[in-house]
Amino acid sequence: RKEVEQDPGPFNVPEGATVAFNCTYSNSASQSFFWYRQDCRKEPKLLMSVYSSGNEDGRFTAQLNRASQYISLLIRDSKLSDSATYLCVVILRFNKFYFGSGTKLNVKP
Amino acid sequence: DTEVTQTPKHLVMGMTNKKSLKCEQHMGHRAMYWYKQKAKKPPELMFVYSYEKLSINESVPSRFSPECPNSSLLNLHLHALQPEDSALYLCASSQPPTGVNEQFFGPGTRLTVL
Repeated sequence: RKEVEQDPGPFNVPEGATVAFNCTYSNSASQSFFWYRQDCRKEPKLLMSVYSSGNEDGRFTAQLNRASQYISLLIRDSKLSDSATYLCVVILRFNKFYFGSGTKLNVKP
Repeated sequence: DTEVTQTPKHLVMGMTNKKSLKCEQHMGHRAMYWYKQKAKKPPELMFVYSYEKLSINESVPSRFSPECPNSSLLNLHLHALQPEDSALYLCASSQPPTGVNEQFFGPGTRLTVL
């Protein structure tokens, strides 16, 4: 079983739609969680950290569910510029870093 | 604009060549990382330096040799690579502790081994 699993998509949504991605992790000792976005042939860019209480940054909301061992990313009012691959990152103790395989989002006009 | 810079942007090398990738960050971070990313795959961690000391080596072949000359520079020395080593090599930095804080990535070096 993979340490971190994501639905690869693609998610094809119209502009203005709300879309949500999940990322499940297998190790309950995981301690830090992040969402990154990566555009084609570019480096990953930090989108947001994920806190236990949930956090919001504009149109983006991240949540952590430790009981069910998943993190989520909600994007409201999707823009064309949101088209990218979204990677979740889970960090275990002792500096074990795990990237999900990424979820591809296509926002259509 | 990224505050982590990498040179060169592209590199083509033969299997007998020796080359180096360079990374520099200007954010005062004391942890730096090398990742390898193949097409349509997530980044794979190779090495972690914390306070200029190697803290993680993810069983990377010895043909890859990292070096951290100071707190803002990170090098990756390449020797006798194989064609399957062709990939995007990403550098990242963060504040320690390395298992807690978010990482910031450089634009990468796209390496082709002939």
